[in-house]
Formats: sequence, structure tokens, C-alpha cells
Amino acid sequence: DSGVTQTPKHLITATGQRVTLRCSPRSGDLSVYWYQQSLDQGLQFLIQYYNGEERAKGNILERFSAQQFPDLHSELNLSSLELGDSALYFCASSAGTGGFGYTFGSGTRLTVV
Amino acid sequence: EDQVTQSPEALRLQEGESSSLNCSYTVSGLRGLFWYRQDPGKGPEFLFTLYSAGEEKEKERLKATLTKKESFLHITAPKPEDSATYLCAVQARSGGSNYKLTFGKGTLLTVNP
Repeated sequence: DSGVTQTPKHLITATGQRVTLRCSPRSGDLSVYWYQQSLDQGLQFLIQYYNGEERAKGNILERFSAQQFPDLHSELNLSSLELGDSALYFCASSAGTGGFGYTFGSGTRLTVV
Repeated sequence: EDQVTQSPEALRLQEGESSSLNCSYTVSGLRGLFWYRQDPGKGPEFLFTLYSAGEEKEKERLKATLTKKESFLHITAPKPEDSATYLCAVQARSGGSNYKLTFGKGTLLTVNP
């Protein structure tokens, strides 16, 4: 157990729908990162939150959004889902200082049918 | 833009047959280079962080080294349980609290008994 909790583990939904993925960071970590992993693209950075504020954006589609709540858990919202959004979505957390890398959760596997 | 290229894409070894994985990178000021291990359907698991050229880190049968342009992950006398995808990532000296990692696509290592 890495200490980073992601729910749900699996999600199957239809095209055009909206889903919410949840992440609870490791205790004491202030930063949360979201990554998408597909077979052809590898791990792609989506977005970072630090203590409730958005800090960096990567290749995140406009249909996707995220937020970090006062208790530091984060949610990634995916809307108007397309078949190509099927992927593993990982959350990671870090203390936010020192740059010593970070810890990943076990991921949510999203399948859009 | 930060870039990471890993080679080979896949490597098949016999148990006990030592080899190396390569990670070439370009980054605007390296803050750290990271190696992760990822098992199928799981989140990446942290292995090493390297910060400066010439640095080496070891853990069991794995040894990571760093130069100004690339990193190597040496695997000595591998066992079947070392089979996994090995991911390399770089963290740029971006300033502030942006600790985004840029990942390579990974090397799929298979160790046959």
C-alpha cells in the first residue's frame, strides 16, 4: 500500500457520459498530480494541485477538470467521454518541497464503450 | 520541452543474464532523474532518484547511474520476479512548487527462468 488511495479501481461507462475519479493523497503530502496512461502514449501529465491551488497544467483536455479540496483529496472530472479516453488514470502525491519524486496510487481503469 | 527516450522498448533475458536499460533525456535544468518499476495494472513504484552526473544508486540487483545526457539501469543476475516495465522520468528545475515529471514510454523487461 503506497498510501495514495484512488477510487474506483475500475469504471465502465458509455460515450458522452461524465465520471469523477477520486484521490486521497499520502498523509502530509500537499501536492496531488494526475496522470493518464494509455498503451501508445505512456504516462502523460495532466494537472497538478498544491494545497488547494492549481499549479501546473499538462496535456489536459478542456472536457477534463480537477480540483483539490480543503482536506487535500482531489477529484478528476471527465465529461463528454469518448472511446479514446479509455486509459489508466493515476494520481500521485508529494510533500511539495525538495523535489524528491512522488508516490503513485494504484490507478483507476476507465473503459468507455 | 523536456523529453525522455528509453531503449530498448522490450528486453527478454534469461535468469542470471545481466544487462542494462537506457534512458536518454533533454531537460532545461535537471532537478532529478527518477526510475520507477511498474507491474501490469499497478501504479509505478519508486526505485531511485539521481540528481547529478556521476551519481550512482543501488538496490538489490539494480544499479542506476547518471551522466549529463543519459541514465542507465543495470540489472545484475536478474530473477523472474524482476520482470516488469521500468520507467524513467525527469523533473525540471522549473521553480515554485511545480514538480511535474516527464516520463519515457518504458522498457518492458521479461526474465525467463
